[in-house]
Amino acid sequence: TQLLEQSPQFLSIQEGENLTVYCNSSSVFSSLQWYRQEPGEGPVLLVTVVTGGEVKKLKRLTFQFGDARKDSSLHITAAQPGDTGLYLCAGGALVLGAGGTSYGKLTFGQGTILTVHP
Amino acid sequence: NAGVTQTPKFQVLKTGQSMTLQCAQDMNHEYMSWYRQDPGMGLRLIHYSVGAGITDQGEVPNGYNVSRSTTEDFPLRLLSAAPSQTSVYFCASNSWGQGAPGANVLTFGAGSRLTVL
Repeated sequence: TQLLEQSPQFLSIQEGENLTVYCNSSSVFSSLQWYRQEPGEGPVLLVTVVTGGEVKKLKRLTFQFGDARKDSSLHITAAQPGDTGLYLCAGGALVLGAGGTSYGKLTFGQGTILTVHP
Repeated sequence: NAGVTQTPKFQVLKTGQSMTLQCAQDMNHEYMSWYRQDPGMGLRLIHYSVGAGITDQGEVPNGYNVSRSTTEDFPLRLLSAAPSQTSVYFCASNSWGQGAPGANVLTFGAGSRLTVL
């Protein structure tokens, strides 16, 4: 069973501070995605990384996929109250289902609840 | 552009009752799936479908049934609800079901919050 350990589980910071969320596994993933979820809504994709060592930047957000494709990090620079939400990492792998069909399974981490205070 | 639509948004059931959570997508996606989200446990896959007429089990399928008669709809059925099924349920879809995991980008519905008493 593939597991993704996400840390920290809770993060409460002041506006303007920097933060990093980590996603670690003992398993190798073909891809790593980060989602953001707001209360009462479904997760929305932020980024997908597929190459070991890959770094992607999305405005103040920087995403990194580990060289061995077992871990990832999300770094936010100068956090703003609008960044508040639940952040989820998800590792992708092609697996065979019980009925014989294959699919791109996503294994989700437990999530990090980020609160940015004005 | 509705994307993925789930109904109902909220539902309260008594133990032993049955119900169906509806999910519809208008993006002509082949792949649809159901997840449940519980505090501290992330999202766990219940069932998925790679096309009309084809469904398969995910990580936590017990107590749930699905069918896929059309590309657009993927209902989730609880035959005899139990308190352990209290959760928030998300339906998701993407453009293919057997392609490279790197492009397996999910579009989620807004969720259905189910409470079983």
